[in-house]
Amino acid sequence: DAGITQSPRHKVTETGTPVTLRCHQTENHRYMYWYRQDPGHGLRLIHYSYGVKDTDKGEVSDGYSVSRSKTEDFLLTLESATSSQTSVYFCAISESAVHEQYFGPGTRLTVT
Amino acid sequence: AQTVTQSQPEMSVQEAETVTLSCTYDTSENNYYLFWYKQPPSRQMILVIRQEAYKQQNATENRFSVNFQKAAKSFSLKISDSQLGDTAMYFCAFMNPFDINNDMRFGAGTRLTVKP
Repeated sequence: DAGITQSPRHKVTETGTPVTLRCHQTENHRYMYWYRQDPGHGLRLIHYSYGVKDTDKGEVSDGYSVSRSKTEDFLLTLESATSSQTSVYFCAISESAVHEQYFGPGTRLTVT
Repeated sequence: AQTVTQSQPEMSVQEAETVTLSCTYDTSENNYYLFWYKQPPSRQMILVIRQEAYKQQNATENRFSVNFQKAAKSFSLKISDSQLGDTAMYFCAFMNPFDINNDMRFGAGTRLTVKP
């Protein structure tokens, strides 16, 4: 299995609080991604990174920001969590744009 | 934007039998990649199989094979000799590696249950 970890694995937070999810990889892959998974929608891309300090928006980026200061870490921040951001969040990595993506174990976030 | 459709929300199959999961997609691109991912109850997303659009030969991985019909924009997954461990959600995904957004689009998934 690809060396991808996510922390925390579960989190419950209140509306309006900031939340940061961490993705850590040991594969030295250039590309990293954050997805959210919701029933009936499959996985949807939030943000992705194509190198250190290089990030861009995905399909559902509103309300989220990301940072990548090191190759191995990709952080997803919800500045002010809302109930609509209750979801399962997956991090993924890939060697390049033409390679398949490998996923982390997911983080279940509940915003009350 | 590319879209991926999985028209079967749920399916079931008897152990040892064969089942086919359907997937269609919409794109104007000629070169792209298609994938099937499996998500068991553990929630881990596992790559099952990959198909490059420029390859005419259908991809195969052990008991898993695909029927790739490029003109029809169809990409079905066949699971032979189904096992209880195949019970999972299955997601079809499309990727255009030449898209600046490098976006992988997923279908809504098919929940497969293998019955003993």
